[in-house]
Amino acid sequence: GNSVTQMEGPVTLSEEAFLTINCTYTATGYPSLFWYVQYPGEGLQLLLKATKADDKGSNKGFEATYRKETTSFHLEKGSVQVSDSAVYFCALSPPQSNTGKLIFGQGTTLQVKP
Amino acid sequence: NAGVTQTPKFQVLKTGQSMTLQCAQDMNHEYMSWYRQDPGMGLRLIHYSVGAGITDQGEVPNGYNVSRSTTEDFPLRLLSAAPSQTSVYFCASSYSKTGRGPSGNYGYTFGSGTRLTVV
Repeated sequence: GNSVTQMEGPVTLSEEAFLTINCTYTATGYPSLFWYVQYPGEGLQLLLKATKADDKGSNKGFEATYRKETTSFHLEKGSVQVSDSAVYFCALSPPQSNTGKLIFGQGTTLQVKP
Repeated sequence: NAGVTQTPKFQVLKTGQSMTLQCAQDMNHEYMSWYRQDPGMGLRLIHYSVGAGITDQGEVPNGYNVSRSTTEDFPLRLLSAAPSQTSVYFCASSYSKTGRGPSGNYGYTFGSGTRLTVV
């Protein structure tokens, strides 16, 4: 079946540190992949996406590359800020979904300290 | 601003009460869905709709009803609230169930959520 596995958190970094949040997936065919961010008390916001192998999604300094060979979509940022503190969700959309259901990882909490 | 609007943001219910969580979108999206978010369990799909007049069950539909009389609105009804329904509820929409839309638009837009507590 389809599933998403994220590295467990919480992740605590100092400001300007390099961020990597690992995400691997299991899916049939070629799913679309997403990273969503949830700031405290808010809903999920689409951070970036990739719809085919080797695509790189990027937004607000965050990047993730769709790696079919390793079934991964790791999130990276070169220099985090305190304002990046949030919960990050990796998700996939199965290519032949009957329900439109997004498959989410468990979420990774990021805390950035000044 | 265009997007998905959910009301209310917070609600406390007593066991056995009923209520409706509202969801509205102004992006002319055909696909709408409801998720619940619980600690350690991620987001789980409750119900979804691929267009006005069409609804179907997700993975955790029991205790919830939905209807889709217009493209814009997709309310979620709790018929008789139970403590197990304490959760954060998110409504989401997209051009289609695959997330793909015209002009390269792609993705699912989420509302800001409703935090429901059943006591």
